[in-house]
Amino acid sequence: GENVEQHPSTLSVQEGDSAVIKCTYSDSASNYFPWYKQELGKGPQLIIDIRSNVGEKKDQRIAVTLNKTAKHFSLHITETQPEDSAVYFCAAISDYKLSFGAGTTVTVRA
Amino acid sequence: NAGVTQTPKFQVLKTGQSMTLQCAQDMNHNSMYWYRQDPGMGLRLIYYSASEGTTDKGEVPNGYNVSRLNKREFSLRLESAAPSQTSVYFCASSEGGTVSAFFGQGTRLTVV
Repeated sequence: GENVEQHPSTLSVQEGDSAVIKCTYSDSASNYFPWYKQELGKGPQLIIDIRSNVGEKKDQRIAVTLNKTAKHFSLHITETQPEDSAVYFCAAISDYKLSFGAGTTVTVRA
Repeated sequence: NAGVTQTPKFQVLKTGQSMTLQCAQDMNHNSMYWYRQDPGMGLRLIYYSASEGTTDKGEVPNGYNVSRLNKREFSLRLESAAPSQTSVYFCASSEGGTVSAFFGQGTRLTVV
């Protein structure tokens, strides 16, 4: 099955700085990579996704990159704001199953 | 549009008791999933249903059973609860295949 590894487990950034979270996956058949944001006491919410035929995707302050050869994908948040503080999960889909990384707790310091 | 609705939101069980977690989605999605979330371990797939009438085991199925009652509803049953099943349980749904999944708000279960 798919194995998704995520780093770092915690990340503290100054407001206005950038945050980068990196993930690797094991199954070369995986072709869809969503990112989720989870706030305290809530379910994960999709914030951005990327498919295997695309190398980069941007949505305002958020961008994802994918390197299929190296089986790496990353989330970049620019100009961080206090409301970006949350737990972020990367995931990969293989054979209908969505496998998650262990999560990154992001804290944005004012 | 409610999305994915889970009931109950909180539950305390004694070891050996049974219970069913309910999940319903109103997005006409084909696929539904049950995950558990434990500190430092992300979300782990318990069971999934790729389409109505089918169910398959995920990463951690032991101690659980599921029923895809119809296209809207997917329930998770604990026949004999154990303290190791203390967790937050999330239901999710998607159109199926390589598309995004939408999550419910979770059920926090404590087994004492």
